[in-house]
Amino acid sequence: QVQLQESGPGLVKPSGTLSLACVVSGDSISSNHWWNWIRQPPGKGLEWIGEIYHSGSTNYNPSLKSRVTISLDQSKNQFSLKLSSVTAADTAIYYCARRAPRGSAYYMDVWGKGTTVTV
Amino acid sequence: DIQLTQSPSFLSASVGDRVTITCRASQGISSYLAWYQQKPGKVPNLLIYAASTLQSGVPSRFSGSGSGTEFTLTISSLQPEDFATYYCQQLSSYPLTFGGGTKVEIK
Repeated sequence: QVQLQESGPGLVKPSGTLSLACVVSGDSISSNHWWNWIRQPPGKGLEWIGEIYHSGSTNYNPSLKSRVTISLDQSKNQFSLKLSSVTAADTAIYYCARRAPRGSAYYMDVWGKGTTVTV
Repeated sequence: DIQLTQSPSFLSASVGDRVTITCRASQGISSYLAWYQQKPGKVPNLLIYAASTLQSGVPSRFSGSGSGTEFTLTISSLQPEDFATYYCQQLSSYPLTFGGGTKVEIK
């Protein structure tokens, strides 16, 4: 079955750059899906960060856009997140997720287990 | 941005109860709405997409309805494993947004 696995440092210094990767297994990153990043601060709700398509097309949350870069590496079947100039407010569980077509839209049907990042 | 307002934010119920959660959108989103269940320490799990379509493997006691700006998630007979937090999400326009969540606890 399709699995996503996040990896990266669990601790990032303030003003530094958070870098995470999400390895996809059981599916090709070149398939007709959007590959997403979502985060969840401790005890709070979900916030969408952004996504990338295999063509390289990206969509970002405007609230984070100036600090976010999402990229993909087809040779490794993975996609990545970089968030710059981090502060304590960026402390959260970071999830990667697949957004798959269902009818006329795409929905997040597979999620990684999440990785906790503390700033 | 499209704001999603869930109500109630907290719900106390008993096993066997019928539970309804509402999600209101700040503007029309057609049927581009999903519902997720998240248990403590676990990953969000897709329950319903396109407002009313049950994701494969999800028990039939879960159902969704609505379109435009008002949506509901109903659990027909609450089971012990259903105690969790539920989120709605709109996929009509960017940025994708989530509701604030509804925590369902045991009465």
